[in-house]
Amino acid sequence: AQSVAQPEDQVNVAEGNPLTVKCTYSVSGNPYLFWYVQYPNRGLQFLLKYITGDNLVKGSYGFEAEFNKSQTSFHLKKPSALVSDSALYFCAVRDGVYTDKLIFGTGTRLQVFP
Amino acid sequence: DTAVSQTPKYLVTQMGNDKSIKCEQNLGHDTMYWYKQDSKKFLKIMFSYNNKELIINETVPNRFSPKSPDKAHLNLHINSLELGDSAVYFCASSQDNSQETQYFGPGTRLLVL
Repeated sequence: AQSVAQPEDQVNVAEGNPLTVKCTYSVSGNPYLFWYVQYPNRGLQFLLKYITGDNLVKGSYGFEAEFNKSQTSFHLKKPSALVSDSALYFCAVRDGVYTDKLIFGTGTRLQVFP
Repeated sequence: DTAVSQTPKYLVTQMGNDKSIKCEQNLGHDTMYWYKQDSKKFLKIMFSYNNKELIINETVPNRFSPKSPDKAHLNLHINSLELGDSAVYFCASSQDNSQETQYFGPGTRLLVL
């Protein structure tokens, strides 16, 4: 079965510093990977996805993610963090090629300090 | 214009009651989903419907019954509510393609007392 792991429950970053939120995956076949963000008391918002093509994927709000096949990782990055980026971030993977079922990671809480 | 909307936003009820949560999407998508997020923020799919047809049913108790009157609506009815049903329930939708992005509603916070 496909799975994703987010090894950090929380990431703390100072405003203006670069941020990385880690995600590793385990799939059979080609992975379809997603990042979502959840602000307090809100639904999930789509940030970006990797299906195929360029390993560096650019998404919303200045976020990007790098697909690394050899390390089976899909880390979320941003060059300069904002306090407003503080939220819960979820990595997700499609559970196979012929399904639209998403398997979510356990989430990483990002805290950006002024 | 909300793309995926859910009602109610909050639902507080007693054990044993029956309640419904409604979801509507105006994106023209073919597929709709229900997810449950528990108190530890863990997200898990419950159901998916494609053009009113049940596609995914993830070993959810049969007290939970989704109903899709048309492809723009997917409602969730819960019978005999239990304490463990307390969670946030998210509706989502996507086009009929496994590569397509799922768009989520704002969530319904259910508290069973």
